[in-house]
Order: sequence, then C-alpha cells, then structure tokens
Amino acid sequence: GESVGLHLPTLSVQEGDNSIINCAYSNSASDYFIWYKQESGKGPQFIIDIRSNMDKRQGQRVTVLLNKTVKHLSLQIAATQPGDSAVYFCAEKMEDTDKLIFGTGTRLQVFP
Amino acid sequence: GAVVSQHPSWVICKSGTSVKIECRSLDFQATTMFWYRQFPKQSLMLMATSNEGSKATYEQGVEKDKFLINHASLTLSTLTVTSAHPEDSSFYICSATLASEQYFGPGTRLTVT
Repeated sequence: GESVGLHLPTLSVQEGDNSIINCAYSNSASDYFIWYKQESGKGPQFIIDIRSNMDKRQGQRVTVLLNKTVKHLSLQIAATQPGDSAVYFCAEKMEDTDKLIFGTGTRLQVFP
Repeated sequence: GAVVSQHPSWVICKSGTSVKIECRSLDFQATTMFWYRQFPKQSLMLMATSNEGSKATYEQGVEKDKFLINHASLTLSTLTVTSAHPEDSSFYICSATLASEQYFGPGTRLTVT
C-alpha cells in the first residue's frame, strides 16, 4: 500500500509484483522529464526519461507515462525486485534551460 | 562514460570552520555544473548553477557569501561552505552537464559539530 510519512511517501510492494510510482510536476512549460533512483547515501541514478511530445516510453522493466493535461508522470516497474528498493524522484526541465526541478520523492520498499 | 566524482565522500567539521567540496567530471568536459543540497528524507534542492569561467548563479534563498562556488576549469567545480554551522549539515550533490544531460556525483555528507 501507499502511505505518506513525515516527508517522504512510501510504497510497499511484494517481490514480483508491479510497482507504480506517481509524480505531479509543477510547470506546464516543462518539456523534458526524468526518473531517478537514489539509494541510501548515494547520488541519483538515471532510470528513464521522456520528452513532452510523447506520452509513453518503455525501457527494460520500466515504463514512464506522461499526462500533460493533468501534469502527471508515473513510473511503472515490472516484476519488482529487492534491488529496486530505493527512493525514486521525478525531475522536470523547462525548455531553454538545463536546470532540473526535483519532485518530493517516493520510497519504494520491496518485501519478500 | 560520463562519470562524476566528489571529494570527500564525507566530512566532519567544527562549527565556525570552512570546508571545501570538489566535483570533478572524470571523462568529459562540463561547461555547466550544478550543486544541490539534500536534507534527510527530502528531495534535492538546487543551490546554484556553476559556469566555467564565470560567477555562479544562486537560487533564491541561498547565501552566495556562505556557499562559495568556483568553477576554474571544465572538469572541476568546488563548493566551499564558509563558517559552517550545524544547520549546514546535509548531503551535498553535484552534477555535470554533457549535451544537456546531467550526470550526478555520489554526494558528500557534511556533518558540522
């Protein structure tokens, strides 16, 4: 299930299930979106990206969906594994800038 | 390719002292580097944009006299936390830009006692 902690929402899933992590972005002028995975004590690791002219993009075991109408982004992880346990952040980038704005993040916990 | 390193990975300093954190792009040249701060259980907050050969651009609310940024070469940017206080304790992360993509360093944990 999904719960909201003091700062970081947590999603708990069973190993082998699919995970869906959601993100609401802030700026309708953003034209590029990225999902990052961050393990404890480490920097963000690129997972997958999508441009605003697309609504879906698939990678290996991961899929990103973009709904520009409601400014919503989701990350789907198929067959979630213990190694997927981490904090996941979405980030948005506006046209004509290299600056990234990060979302609040979701902690994914995978239990056996 | 596109590896970014940070040094040190962790540092403990006394209140009132200054500490320097280095960010290096190891296998590419980066005109632009970014510095972020991350408090426990929170997201990454952009502090400043560091451009090689020019002054850094700071985000609103970030004290430029306290967080000194130098970007003297295309592979190195440094962040100096001056007169550090316990509230500056945080995880500092840099990124370097290549072809408009940001590549992140592993972060530096700063603890001010």
